[in-house]
Amino acid sequence: GENVEQHPSTLSVQEGDSAVIKCTYSDSASNYFPWYKQELGKGPQLIIDIRSNVGEKKDQRIAVTLNKTAKHFSLHITETQPEDSAVYFCAASGSGGSNYKLTFGKGTLLTVNP
Amino acid sequence: DAGVTQSPTHLIKTRGQQVTLRCSPKSGHDTVSWYQQALGQGPQFIFQYYEEEERQRGNFPDRFSGHQFPNYSSELNVNALLLGDSALYLCASSRDHNAPLHFGNGTRLTVT
Repeated sequence: GENVEQHPSTLSVQEGDSAVIKCTYSDSASNYFPWYKQELGKGPQLIIDIRSNVGEKKDQRIAVTLNKTAKHFSLHITETQPEDSAVYFCAASGSGGSNYKLTFGKGTLLTVNP
Repeated sequence: DAGVTQSPTHLIKTRGQQVTLRCSPKSGHDTVSWYQQALGQGPQFIFQYYEEEERQRGNFPDRFSGHQFPNYSSELNVNALLLGDSALYLCASSRDHNAPLHFGNGTRLTVT
């Protein structure tokens, strides 16, 4: 089955700096790659997603890049703010490309210091 | 517009007991998926329901079962609870197989 590796497990940055989280996946059939933000006591919230026919996608301070050949994708957050502090998860769609069966990485705890 | 709602928020059970967790999907969504999130880990797919049938299943034993009702709400049942079943159980809904998953805030299950 699909396997998703996520690095780093923890990331500490100063307010205003950029943060980058990287993930690799194993199943070349995967074609959907969402990123979720999870705050303490809450469920994961979708922040951005990308499909395999697109190499990069931006939404204000957040961007995701995908390299299908190398099977890795990354989340970039610019001008970080304290409210960006949370656990971030990458995920990849399971075999068959269904959005329902996502395989998640183990998460990155991002801390933005004021 | 209410998002995905789950009940209860917290639950404590004893090993060997049975538990039922409930989920109401976001308005306009007809597909429900269940995930288990152990402490410090990413969510793991349990199964997905569409048109009141289980369509896909992850690597979970038969002790985990579910149901979807005509109003699209869903239940997750776990029999013969083990200590290792302690986790946050997340329900996610979506409009169709190409649409993103929207998660609820989960039910925290503790098995003692």
